Amino acid sequence: DQQVKQNSPSLSVQEGRISILNCDYTNSMFDYFLWYKKYPAEGPTFLISISSIKDKNEDGRFTVFLNKSAKHLSLHIVPSQPGDSAVYFCASSDTGRRALTFGSGTRLQVQP
Amino acid sequence: NAGVMQNPRHLVRRRGQEARLRCSPMKGHSHVYWYRQLPEEGLKFMVYLQKENIIDESGMPKERFSAEFPKEGPSILRIQQVVRGDSAAYFCASSPASGSNQPQHFGDGTRLSIL
Repeated sequence: DQQVKQNSPSLSVQEGRISILNCDYTNSMFDYFLWYKKYPAEGPTFLISISSIKDKNEDGRFTVFLNKSAKHLSLHIVPSQPGDSAVYFCASSDTGRRALTFGSGTRLQVQP
Repeated sequence: NAGVMQNPRHLVRRRGQEARLRCSPMKGHSHVYWYRQLPEEGLKFMVYLQKENIIDESGMPKERFSAEFPKEGPSILRIQQVVRGDSAAYFCASSPASGSNQPQHFGDGTRLSIL
């Protein structure tokens, strides 16, 4: 039972263009959503988060959009840089439990 | 280094031995979480602890696995009588006490290999 799904295992974009990573969730109790970036042999690095009272949050080149009715969130990276090449995980939790439920990840490759 | 510290980074055990994984949270953080990642999968929640208390262990196998976060010292994830299926990367995360919507910050993990 995958409550958080990242349906694209991989994504390739050109440097300078926009990267859009998508994530769907099924648990309507989720009210806090996060994106992490992970390099091989390292732990996940927190990028950006959004709570369910918002539909957009920006931090520099990273923007997260939340569509609660569709139970969908996306991460936009613009402009994309080669150093952004990594695996990106979305994660969700509900206020009652702090445990994060992760998607299976999307491998982003930014071509120079 | 003010980040989450995990040790060892790599641990090799033979079937039937015990594995002890350690985690020191970020300075000022009193909440610790353990996750396990199998190859090509996302991270799976195991247990959430505060000092001297297990808050949520719903993701932890009932047998052979235990966790603690004592008043002094790091959090320990203990796996007794390891089996091949325990081979995975184990990540620890921490967050501050205040507020429920606080991002968790992760260590670099312990890669456990069972021979």
